[in-house]
Amino acid sequence: GAVVSQHPSWVICKSGTSVKIECRSLDFQATTMFWYRQFPKQSLMLMATSNEGSKATYEQGVEKDKFLINHASLTLSTLTVTSAHPEDSSFYICSARTGTGSDYTFGSGTRLTVV
Amino acid sequence: AQSVTQLDSQVPVFEEAPVELRCNYSSSVSVYLFWYVQYPNQGLQLLLKYLSGSTLVKGINGFEAEFNKSQTSFHLRKPSVHISDTAEYFCAVILYNFNKFYFGSGTKLNVKP
Repeated sequence: GAVVSQHPSWVICKSGTSVKIECRSLDFQATTMFWYRQFPKQSLMLMATSNEGSKATYEQGVEKDKFLINHASLTLSTLTVTSAHPEDSSFYICSARTGTGSDYTFGSGTRLTVV
Repeated sequence: AQSVTQLDSQVPVFEEAPVELRCNYSSSVSVYLFWYVQYPNQGLQLLLKYLSGSTLVKGINGFEAEFNKSQTSFHLRKPSVHISDTAEYFCAVILYNFNKFYFGSGTKLNVKP
């Protein structure tokens, strides 16, 4: 089946630094990638939707300058957490629709810890 | 606005016992319904989904769910659980344009020997 490869699976960074998370669609073209964030004991919340070759659409309350999304190709979307702070520590996960219907594939997630 | 409620944050159950994980949703428009499972440090895996047709949906690993429109529920059930079913389960809805998932807060299923 369709696979979305997400890296890194976990990362620890110092406060003030930037971290890049990659999601690659391995055997299909992902025209749209969705980025979610999951805080401890909470559900996944959509952060932004990225479309290949265009600017990402951010959900209300998500800082676009802090969470930079790039979707330069049909197989790669990246999320960069800039100037990370401890409150950005969370589980980030990407998702892509694998067809025209209701089939979505999720990446394995990235656990970010900012110290 | 849409919302998904999973009333039970944790469900402990003994191996081979039946289990039901509850999910209720609220939406002003028609939605599709999903159940996903998340094993520790892994992504989400689709268990089953309801799009239309029979309200009883069978998924992988012996799970099934029933869509009840009048009660706006989509409870997940398994007649006999295994230790390997220990994971977190998420209920989710998506609108007909398939552009955004709304997830519940998750239910941690802990299967004890």
